[in-house]
Amino acid sequence: EAQVTQNPRYLITVTGKKLTVTCSQNMNHEYMSWYRQDPGLGLRQIYYSMNVEVTDKGDVPEGYKVSRKEKRNFPLILESPSPNQTSLYFCASSFGLQGGTEAFFGQGTRLTVV
Amino acid sequence: SQKIEQNSEALNIQEGKTATLTCNYTNYSPAYLQWYRQDPGRGPVFLLLIRENEKEKRKERLKVTFDTTLKQSLFHITASQPADSATYLCAVYNNNDMRFGAGTRLTVKP
Repeated sequence: EAQVTQNPRYLITVTGKKLTVTCSQNMNHEYMSWYRQDPGLGLRQIYYSMNVEVTDKGDVPEGYKVSRKEKRNFPLILESPSPNQTSLYFCASSFGLQGGTEAFFGQGTRLTVV
Repeated sequence: SQKIEQNSEALNIQEGKTATLTCNYTNYSPAYLQWYRQDPGRGPVFLLLIRENEKEKRKERLKVTFDTTLKQSLFHITASQPADSATYLCAVYNNNDMRFGAGTRLTVKP
């Protein structure tokens, strides 16, 4: 089954404790991205990757890191989480953007930083 | 500045009526635009894509229009059902990037 898998689904952590949210897709997609979703603000892009070893900042990259060492995985790293990073996070993938293909989203990770 | 605005945060309609949602964009020249459905606590799910050279696209009870002069897309659900209740997001492709509107929460009352 074609899917994007994020882990964990729920996470409560303390300020400053490094964490990683994993994202994996099984569709051989080139394009992957991370979004955060906050009430009233919609989906805001954090980082995206056009292909292996190619990443770029989205609208709200501060406080986040990503890596794309393999095509299927695109982890999101919070080196020193702060309470303002409490949010619902989504990973998405697609074959590419230029041609106009649908994006597949993961089930989401609800992160709380206390 | 670039903006994507969806007409309202919430829209309530009666079952059987047509729901019309609006997506307006500013300072974009998108090659295409997409609409997604999102249920509470779940990831968005793709519904329809419409390209800049297409005026209208249909899929079952769904219809999307795209007016590049008005910089607007309309999303229609005909013969709406309570199961159509969800948040609907428009997404604009621009410069190797997808940007999303904040969404409209549709409630269809029986």
